[in-house]
Amino acid sequence: AQSVTQLGSHVSVSEGALVLLRCNYSSSVPPYLFWYVQYPNQGLQLLLKYTSAATLVKGINGFEAEFKKSETSFHLTKPSAHMSDAAEYFCAVSDRGYGGSQGNLIFGKGTKLSVKP
Amino acid sequence: DGGITQSPKYLFRKEGQNVTLSCEQNLNHDAMYWYRQDPGQGLRLIYYSQIVNDFQKGDIAEGYSVSREKKESFPLTVTSAQKNPTAFYLCASSHFLGPQHFGDGTRLSIL
Repeated sequence: AQSVTQLGSHVSVSEGALVLLRCNYSSSVPPYLFWYVQYPNQGLQLLLKYTSAATLVKGINGFEAEFKKSETSFHLTKPSAHMSDAAEYFCAVSDRGYGGSQGNLIFGKGTKLSVKP
Repeated sequence: DGGITQSPKYLFRKEGQNVTLSCEQNLNHDAMYWYRQDPGQGLRLIYYSQIVNDFQKGDIAEGYSVSREKKESFPLTVTSAQKNPTAFYLCASSHFLGPQHFGDGTRLSIL
């Protein structure tokens, strides 16, 4: 069965500093992996996805993530944090058991990112 | 603009009452999903539907019911059997091979 572990429920960085949010996954099949962002009282917005093409995936708002099979990791990074990046971030892996579709998502518990001025 | 509309944004339930959360999408997506979000718990799948008139239980379906009579609509009923319904409920939809897109959620509280 698939699972996702996000290391650190809270991460705090200074504006302009590197953002690194960690995600490790477990999957018995080649995974599809996703990062979503959630602002307070809103739904989730897709930042980026990995679907077995390039291992370095670029997303919106300057975020990127690298798929490392040997480390079963899919960490999210951004070179320089902005105040507007303060939000909760969720890593998810796809359960591909339904007819070859992307199927259902298994989410990590989320990491809240704070950005200090 | 295409998107997913959840209503109402806030909902209050009395003891013993069933309440229904609405989810409508105009993205022409085949699949629709309902999640429950609790602080520090991430998202947990309640029900999902891959096609009209068909749906499956997710990880925490007890105390909830759904219907999928139209492609664009996937309402969720929180029944009185759900003893701890206070949460943020998110609806999502997707194409067969596409990523999930989310609505803005409904926050349900107990009176």
